[in-house]
Amino acid sequence: AQSVTQPDIHITVSEGASLELRCNYSYGATPYLFWYVQSPGQGLQLLLKYFSGDTLVQGIKGFEAEFKRSQSSFNLRKPSVHWSDAAEYFCAVVLVGNTGFQKLVFGTGTRLLVSP
Amino acid sequence: EAQVTQNPRYLITVTGKKLTVTCSQNMNHEYMSWYRQDPGLGLRQIYYSMNVEVTDKGDVPEGYKVSRKEKRNFPLILESPSPNQTSLYFCASSMGQGGYEQYFGPGTRLTVT
Repeated sequence: AQSVTQPDIHITVSEGASLELRCNYSYGATPYLFWYVQSPGQGLQLLLKYFSGDTLVQGIKGFEAEFKRSQSSFNLRKPSVHWSDAAEYFCAVVLVGNTGFQKLVFGTGTRLLVSP
Repeated sequence: EAQVTQNPRYLITVTGKKLTVTCSQNMNHEYMSWYRQDPGLGLRQIYYSMNVEVTDKGDVPEGYKVSRKEKRNFPLILESPSPNQTSLYFCASSMGQGGYEQYFGPGTRLTVT
């Protein structure tokens, strides 16, 4: 079955340090991959997406992610974390059917804490 | 401004009292969906709709109903809420075929006592 795994439930990073959040997916076909961020009390905001082409994709707020087919991974990175990046991050893959059916399958999320 | 709106944002109710959470999008999207978010479980799809009058069950549809009479609206109905439906609910929409980014509403926090 298609699934998304985020192995880290919590991560603490010092402000100014680099960040990498891990995401692994299980999906037979070419995946459509997303990273969403959820700030406390807020909805989900799309950070970036990968559909095809260049495997390094740039997103908003200085985030990037790299698609590695051989590792079934789509890790999120940021070179220098700001205190405002503290939030929960969700990796997701969209399943698409022939009839237009589509469903996002989410990982369980990684909560990022930023220390001073 | 392109957006998905949900109402109410917060709701406390009692077991068995029917309620409706509204969802509306102004992007002319064909696809709409409802998710619930629970700690440690991520987001799980409740129902989705590919277009007007076309709806289908997601992964956790029990205890919920939906309707799609207009393209912009996709209300979630709890006919007889129970405490295990206490959760954070999100509505989302996307273009449909060829447009897979889903845009989320701000969420509705529901507590059933």
